[in-house]
Amino acid sequence: GDSVTQMEGPVTLSEEAFLTINCTYTATGYPSLFWYVQYPGEGLQLLLKATKADDKGSNKGFEATYRKETTSFHLEKGSVQVSDSAVYFCALSEIRGKLIFGQGTTLQVKP
Amino acid sequence: NAGVTQTPKFQVLKTGQSMTLQCAQDMNHEYMSWYRQDPGMGLRLIHYSVGAGITDQGEVPNGYNVSRSTTEDFPLRLLSAAPSQTSVYFCASSSHPGLAYEQYFGPGTRLTVT
Repeated sequence: GDSVTQMEGPVTLSEEAFLTINCTYTATGYPSLFWYVQYPGEGLQLLLKATKADDKGSNKGFEATYRKETTSFHLEKGSVQVSDSAVYFCALSEIRGKLIFGQGTTLQVKP
Repeated sequence: NAGVTQTPKFQVLKTGQSMTLQCAQDMNHEYMSWYRQDPGMGLRLIHYSVGAGITDQGEVPNGYNVSRSTTEDFPLRLLSAAPSQTSVYFCASSSHPGLAYEQYFGPGTRLTVT
């Protein structure tokens, strides 16, 4: 079945460092891909999405490109802030909107 | 708009007890779902509904029951709680079950079964 694999965390960075969180997927069809973020004590929020190959999703300085040839959707940000500390989930959408999530990657940004 | 609301925020149950986790949304969304979040496993789909009167099973439905009598509400029932059901539960809704539509999540219910 479909699956999502994320790099293991936690990831600890200094403020203004470059961030990459790797995400690869397995799917039989043509899924949509998402990054959700969970701040401490809160539910998940959509960060960005891409719906077809070569699409780039972007929001709040974060970017991810849907790479069908490498089945990847890596999350990047050029300069992280302390406020970016959270858990990041990569997910794909099957038919009927069922989300399949990766295991989540904890990001901690230190001042 | 309140978005997606969940009650209670925290709950402790003894093995064998039953309870209902409440979920409501005020966005007139047709699609609603329940996930559980466990460490190192991401979120896994328990049950979902594409509209009032229609429900279906997700990846981990055993031990849980749902119904959808209105568009707004989608309660999750634990029939006989087990320690393996200790988890954080999230309800989500979406305007459409299609592939590209954003899902909106509630704040979660942290359940401990002793």
